[in-house]
Amino acid sequence: DIQLTQSPSSLSASIGDRVTITCRASQGIANYLAWYQQRPGKVPKLLIYAASTLQSGVPSRFSGSGSGTDFTLTISSLQPDDVGSYYCQKFNSAPWTFGQGTKVEIK
Amino acid sequence: EVRLVVSGGGLIQPGGSLRLSCAASGLSVSSHYMAWVRQAPGKGLEWVAFIYSGGSTYYADSVRGRFTVSRDNSKNTLYIEMNTLRAEDTALYYCAAPLGDYYGMDVWGQGTTVTVSS
Repeated sequence: DIQLTQSPSSLSASIGDRVTITCRASQGIANYLAWYQQRPGKVPKLLIYAASTLQSGVPSRFSGSGSGTDFTLTISSLQPDDVGSYYCQKFNSAPWTFGQGTKVEIK
Repeated sequence: EVRLVVSGGGLIQPGGSLRLSCAASGLSVSSHYMAWVRQAPGKGLEWVAFIYSGGSTYYADSVRGRFTVSRDNSKNTLYIEMNTLRAEDTALYYCAAPLGDYYGMDVWGQGTTVTVSS
């Protein structure tokens, strides 16, 4: 099975910082990748699908890029509301594995 | 309003069975696909299973042969039957679905807690 590896596992950044989270697939998955945000105590929220398509209603400071094996979620200017965990998920074929998550905190 | 309401969780002994329900409103359980995702306490998200609009089902290795996903279109409800439960199945169980024809789930139920313990 294809594995997804996210890095870093956690990060602490200042308000206004540019934050980048990477998700690497052990084999190519084209652009079948989604990104989610999970705030503490809340259900996951879809941010991006098809690697780079911003879901409706998601702030434009979020962006996704990549194809094949290497993917990136970028927050252009970190806001207090962005605290939480971020997960990538593959959809090219079953199993629809999630990455292990990246915890984002404010410095 | 689009909504998924999950129910059926509880405390169950190892080896026992449980059926979770996910009642949908504002979307059809037979459109696109619907998935079950779980989250063990303090851990990350784990995909469990999904069912396509055509009825095909797929399972994570950790639950294949023990869990079964089904749906009742007349009740617009998704189910997961969980048998031979193990301590490692203890988690918050979510159902989730897309609002459109894309791969990414933007509607999530609130989750129901399954605790497997003697």
